[in-house]
Amino acid sequence: GDSVTQMEGPVTLSEEAFLTINCTYTATGYPSLFWYVQYPGEGLQLLLKATKADDKGSNKGFEATYRKETTSFHLEKGSVQVSDSAVYFCALTIPGIQGAQKLVFGQGTRLTINP
Amino acid sequence: DSGVTQTPKHLITATGQRVTLRCSPRSGDLSVYWYQQSLDQGLQFLIQYYNGEERAKGNILERFSAQQFPDLHSELNLSSLELGDSALYFCASSGRLAGTQYFGPGTRLLVL
Repeated sequence: GDSVTQMEGPVTLSEEAFLTINCTYTATGYPSLFWYVQYPGEGLQLLLKATKADDKGSNKGFEATYRKETTSFHLEKGSVQVSDSAVYFCALTIPGIQGAQKLVFGQGTRLTINP
Repeated sequence: DSGVTQTPKHLITATGQRVTLRCSPRSGDLSVYWYQQSLDQGLQFLIQYYNGEERAKGNILERFSAQQFPDLHSELNLSSLELGDSALYFCASSGRLAGTQYFGPGTRLLVL
């Protein structure tokens, strides 16, 4: 079945460090790919998305490129801030029959940024 | 703020009881989705409704049921509650049948 694998956490970095969170997927069709972020005590917020191969999603300094050849969608940020501390989820969807759809999530990566 | 609202924010109940979680989608969104987030299972898709009709089903237990009403709000009913049902329950909505999903703040359920 469809699945998403994220790098194991937790990840701890210093402020202004470079961030990469790896994400790979397995899918039978042509998925759309997403990164969601969950700040402490809050719900999931859409961070960025890409709907086809070679698309780059970007938002708030974060970027991820849809790589079909390596089935990957790694999240990167050039200079992290303390406010980026959160749990990051990689996810995919494959639209089904008559609009049926579900998000398949990775296990989440907890990121802590120290000042 | 995603525009998706969920009530209540927290719920504490006992084993064997029944609870109802409520979700109001973003204005104009016809699709509603329910997810469960637990420590051992992670984020799991439960069910999708579109304009009042069920469209997709995940690993939703038979003790759980959902519906979407004519005003497009949705309710998730959990019955014969067990300790293992303690989790965060999220609702999401999308504007198109297979559109990007926007999540509510969640309902934290604790079964004692």
